[in-house]
Amino acid sequence: NAGVMQNPRHLVRRRGQEARLRCSPMKGHSHVYWYRQLPEEGLKFMVYLQKENIIDESGMPKERFSAEFPKEGPSILRIQQVVRGDSAAYFCASSRADHAGELFFGEGSRLTVL
Amino acid sequence: GQQLNQSPQSMFIQEGEDVSMNCTSSSIFNTWLWYKQDPGEGPVLLIALYKAGELTSNGRLTAQFGITRKDSFLNISASIPSDVGIYFCAGQYGGATNKLIFGTGTLLAVQP
Repeated sequence: NAGVMQNPRHLVRRRGQEARLRCSPMKGHSHVYWYRQLPEEGLKFMVYLQKENIIDESGMPKERFSAEFPKEGPSILRIQQVVRGDSAAYFCASSRADHAGELFFGEGSRLTVL
Repeated sequence: GQQLNQSPQSMFIQEGEDVSMNCTSSSIFNTWLWYKQDPGEGPVLLIALYKAGELTSNGRLTAQFGITRKDSFLNISASIPSDVGIYFCAGQYGGATNKLIFGTGTLLAVQP
């Protein structure tokens, strides 16, 4: 029973490039969440999605960041024109619709911006 | 963004000792959860609490949902070296959004 799958695990980008992070939720999970973690800090909520819908994007920066969870395929977190401050670990979590309180996290994608 | 106050920030203990950490919030939560994160890994769910006053155990771990719904604690009994890691509390408001608000974390080091 595969857990939440994230890729890539590590991504290096130069300033100004685009970063795309992918997340496949656990089987049977229809809710996806993205969190960002800076070194030695806690996890900060970014966005909560269900299939084809953004439910809560209150933690997402207004510019350069976008997220989607299409009907088919993984959820994508997209960061355009990356800056050094975007360097962080980005974690995806998923939950079932009837157990929405229990989030299961992936291993994370670590973005380094040079 | 909002974060929960978690204490202590770090703990250095001997193997076999019991550990206690807690989390407080200015807001009321419907759900409290406790996660453990190892270096380079994602957080792993340890315990979920759904009712005020609820006391739940998972092996050597025990957690309680405070009756005011603004706090929670986690106890680890008879610590072992593999308990090393960062422990995070998380609160969930429920309703339209299921997002979790995370605590600042407690770093636990266990000396054999």
